[in-house]
Amino acid sequence: QVTLKESGPALVKPTQTLTLTCTFSGFSLSTSGMRVSWIRQPPGKALEWLARIDWDDDKFYSTSLKTRLTISKDTSKNQVVLTMTNMDPVDTATYYCARRNYYDSSGYDYWGQGTLVTVSS
Amino acid sequence: QSVLTQPPSVSAAPGQKVTISCSGSSSNIGNNYVSWYQQLPGTAPKLLIYDNNKRPSGIPDRFSGSKSGTSATLGITGLQTGDEADYYCGTWDSSLSAEVFGGGTKLTVL
Repeated sequence: QVTLKESGPALVKPTQTLTLTCTFSGFSLSTSGMRVSWIRQPPGKALEWLARIDWDDDKFYSTSLKTRLTISKDTSKNQVVLTMTNMDPVDTATYYCARRNYYDSSGYDYWGQGTLVTVSS
Repeated sequence: QSVLTQPPSVSAAPGQKVTISCSGSSSNIGNNYVSWYQQLPGTAPKLLIYDNNKRPSGIPDRFSGSKSGTSATLGITGLQTGDEADYYCGTWDSSLSAEVFGGGTKLTVL
């Protein structure tokens, strides 16, 4: 079955760079149509899409955050990595990775459990 | 401020029907498929509706989706207390080349 799990530091200091890893199983990101996105949710607030990487290595970023984000994949390890530079307390949120199969669905059908990242000195 | 506009909250009694709207523009809802997600307290979002009106396996037919022009609607019939959750719409925005979500709607089953 398909699973995704986010990992990374629970606490980062302001101005530091955050690196999050999404480790997945049950599908391959080298399969045509597969896409993985990072989505975050500040406490008590709405979902915010951050970035997406596709099976063909196409990458897309939130327009408001694109200067701070980098998404990459390691197909052999079944991992997608997101880096976010210059972290600020407003970046405190639960960060999710989610999968979409372009040929099956326009929606994200599998999500990780999320990882809470707190930005504080 | 979200690109897609949803009402902050809706409420209805058990057994009743409720609809949640999602308003966008021609660059997003108007020309792309809409998905809907349910987020129960303390859990990750769950896909309820994709491609405007399709339900993934395991989602009961009490949940339905529709789209007209630049707006989409999620309908829930036979409301249950277990339906109390936050609901989000999402789609692709062709102008932004980015995924966008609505601000979320909190459903209260009175």
